[in-house]
Amino acid sequence: QSALTQSASVSGSPGQSITISCTGTSSDVGSDNFVSWYQHYAGKAPKLLIFDVSKRPSGVSDRFSGSKSGNTASLTISGLQTEDEADYYCCSRARDGTYVFGTGTNVAVL
Amino acid sequence: QVQLVQSGAEVREPGASVKVSCKASGYTFTNYFMHWMRQAPGQGLEYMGLVEAGNGNTLYAQKFQGRVTMTRDTSTSAIYLELSSLGLDDTAVYYCAREPPRQCFFDYWGQGTLVTVSS
Repeated sequence: QSALTQSASVSGSPGQSITISCTGTSSDVGSDNFVSWYQHYAGKAPKLLIFDVSKRPSGVSDRFSGSKSGNTASLTISGLQTEDEADYYCCSRARDGTYVFGTGTNVAVL
Repeated sequence: QVQLVQSGAEVREPGASVKVSCKASGYTFTNYFMHWMRQAPGQGLEYMGLVEAGNGNTLYAQKFQGRVTMTRDTSTSAIYLELSSLGLDDTAVYYCAREPPRQCFFDYWGQGTLVTVSS
């Protein structure tokens, strides 16, 4: 199972919106709506931001939103804040019941 | 509150095995699937597999089949990851994570365990 493809880095100014894409195949991202997104600060445990493509867990800011089209999922961060500087990973369940993560995107707030 | 507390850092020589634990608390352990992931230095998250806490069934990522064993102990609400035939590229932080029933995401994660493989 190959890793899902994400841009290595994305940057934006405070207050701007950025979008991170996650491209897989018809065997993972495109096969169902089980795409999730995680925020990861170095040295910390990853944090769930989005599940089932576009749902937010309780307590996650509504500045984070998710969507999907075909084999590509996207995470949008609106009203970018300095605290959003982190690595972001998408994740999809594969048809064999295992999971596959994206290659990760580093977000920089300029 | 839900907590997943992992065992401490380990150092192993190439060819050896390592066993990492993850102790759960704050919820009904047997109702959940538990997963293991890892992150090598400078790399992204990599999925390794899962163990069903209720019945011990496992499912491993193809890459690790044959040298990974995931088990659980319901008496202590703990899961274990054993990785054998360690190579230098197994140096990584290993994470456990919980999957809620009938869901497909990981809502709580352990703090991570650094495993260093060095001669």
